Amino acid sequence: GENVEQHPSTLSVQEGDSAVIKCTYSDSASNYFPWYKQELGKGPQLIIDIRSNVGEKKDQRIAVTLNKTAKHFSLHITETQPEDSAVYFCAANQAGTALIFGKGTTLSVSS
Amino acid sequence: GAVVSQHPSWVICKSGTSVKIECRSLDFQATTMFWYRQFPKQSLMLMATSNEGSKATYEQGVEKDKFLINHASLTLSTLTVTSAHPEDSSFYICSAREGLSGDTIYFGEGSWLTVV
Repeated sequence: GENVEQHPSTLSVQEGDSAVIKCTYSDSASNYFPWYKQELGKGPQLIIDIRSNVGEKKDQRIAVTLNKTAKHFSLHITETQPEDSAVYFCAANQAGTALIFGKGTTLSVSS
Repeated sequence: GAVVSQHPSWVICKSGTSVKIECRSLDFQATTMFWYRQFPKQSLMLMATSNEGSKATYEQGVEKDKFLINHASLTLSTLTVTSAHPEDSSFYICSAREGLSGDTIYFGEGSWLTVV
């Protein structure tokens, strides 16, 4: 089955800096790669996703890149703000199957 | 975006009792729902996949007789934790896939279960 590795487990940045979180996956059949933000005590919130037919996707300060050959994808957050502080999870699946999650990255943005 | 609602958001029960958690897709039909469990400071671990009108598929290590999952309609799935024990205390999260071919998965807000 699918296995998703996520790094780093914790990330501290200064407000305004960029943050990058990286994930690798094992199943070459996976074709959907979402990123979720989870705040304490709440369910995960989808922030951006990418499908295997696209190499990069951007939504304002958030971007995701995908390298299918290397089986890795990354989340990029630019101009970080304190409200970006949360736990971020990457996930992967084949369309229609359950998402398999990475272990999460705790992002702390200090002002 | 699509909304998935979970109820209750938190529940406390006594050891040995059973507790039911509901997961509803509010504005779309969910042919497939997924149940996850999350311990503090850990990732989401898939428990089972629930398809409307059929038996749930459980992940290895998840006791199907303890975690009863029912998906009787296209908008409702329930998770019943039977004979709950303190080690069952956790954050339970459901998610739903829109339609038959959609790959976007929406998550509920989660349910905190504390067994005392």
